[in-house]
Amino acid sequence: EAGVVQSPRYKIIEKKQPVAFWCNPISGHNTLYWYRQNLGQGPELLIRYENEEAVDDSQLPKDRFSAERLKGVDSTLKIQPAELGDSAVYLCASSQPGLAGAVVQFFGPGTRLTVL
Amino acid sequence: AQSVTQLDSQVPVFEEAPVELRCNYSSSVSVYLFWYVQYPNQGLQLLLKYLSGSTLVKGINGFEAEFNKSQTSFHLRKPSVHISDTAEYFCAVSDHSPGGYQKVTFGTGTKLQVIP
Repeated sequence: EAGVVQSPRYKIIEKKQPVAFWCNPISGHNTLYWYRQNLGQGPELLIRYENEEAVDDSQLPKDRFSAERLKGVDSTLKIQPAELGDSAVYLCASSQPGLAGAVVQFFGPGTRLTVL
Repeated sequence: AQSVTQLDSQVPVFEEAPVELRCNYSSSVSVYLFWYVQYPNQGLQLLLKYLSGSTLVKGINGFEAEFNKSQTSFHLRKPSVHISDTAEYFCAVSDHSPGGYQKVTFGTGTKLQVIP
């Protein structure tokens, strides 16, 4: 079974430039998450999708961040314009309802963004 | 609201020695508990999870964790570590909401450094 795929793995941009990250979840996983992981911290949820609907985007900085999951499969996270503080690892995860009601998230390798 | 505390940011241990990584959580409702491992430049991988039942949970790579409700702890242990266990370990907690949204909160991580 293929895991969660993310690209690119690394991205270096100058501040004020736009950047986009792509995620392909595990086949059949209806729920998709984007997390941001700052250096020395745990992942923090940015947005969660149920199929193509964004059901929790309360932590997404909407002035510069946007996301889409048009067909309920692949997803794209965009930052425009990027700021120095956006340097972090952006993780994508996916899940489906699990046994006994517990949800287990499967993570991709992440995209390490460096903003200069 | 729920929270996770990993007091130890770094734990150095000699190869073949035992290790315990501490995790305490806070929640007003029943929870599911998880330990994830993150190897350098990779995403998070599930080590083990506690859903219900036996408080001692066994995971992959020889790790185990014990759920202690009275102490609100979920410490991770391994009787003999290997160089390949060098990684960052994240404790996580989610709501116990079967069929509903289970928001996952991650700790700040503990870096395990195995010394040859």
